[in-house]
Amino acid sequence: RKEVEQDPGPFNVPEGATVAFNCTYSNSASQSFFWYRQDCRKEPKLLMSVYSSGNEDGRFTAQLNRASQYISLLIRDSKLSDSATYLCVVGIWGNKLVFGAGTILRVKS
Amino acid sequence: SQTIHQWPATLVQPVGSPLSLECTVEGTSNPNLYWYRQAAGRGLQLLFYSVGIGQISSEVPQNLSASRPQDRQFILSSKKLLLSDSGFYLCAWSVWGAEKSSYNSPLHFGNGTRLTVT
Repeated sequence: RKEVEQDPGPFNVPEGATVAFNCTYSNSASQSFFWYRQDCRKEPKLLMSVYSSGNEDGRFTAQLNRASQYISLLIRDSKLSDSATYLCVVGIWGNKLVFGAGTILRVKS
Repeated sequence: SQTIHQWPATLVQPVGSPLSLECTVEGTSNPNLYWYRQAAGRGLQLLFYSVGIGQISSEVPQNLSASRPQDRQFILSSKKLLLSDSGFYLCAWSVWGAEKSSYNSPLHFGNGTRLTVT
């Protein structure tokens, strides 16, 4: 089983739609969780950290479910500019972060 | 504010040639430094990480090596490139969290180097 698993997609949604991605992790001792966004042929950029209580940043909401070992990312009112690959990242121990392979989102007009 | 510089942006090298990619960080001291590789359509693979000058940890056996001659400089090298070394190489930095063993701070990536070995 992979340490971090994501549905590769692609998720094809119309503008204005709400879309959610899940990411599961295998190590119950994981302590840190992040969502990154990666545009085509660019470096990943931090979208948001994921806290135990959940957190929201504008149209983006991240949730952590420790019991079921998954994190989620909800995007409301999707924009064309949200089209990208979304990477789930989990801190297993020390300073090593493990990246999921990513979920592709395509927002269409 | 902190910035990370990575160069070159693109590189085309023949099989068997040497490689040197450089990464520098500004605006922070004693960062953790990382080299990742992303093959086409694949996830990020951690190659090396460093918690201090001269301290390098290798994650996977490979044809590459890394060095950290200065606090904010990280170099990725190879003596002889293989076709399988082609990919998108990303340097990243992070800082320690409040508890070194249980907290990870997020990574911040450079713009990457797209390497094609021919």
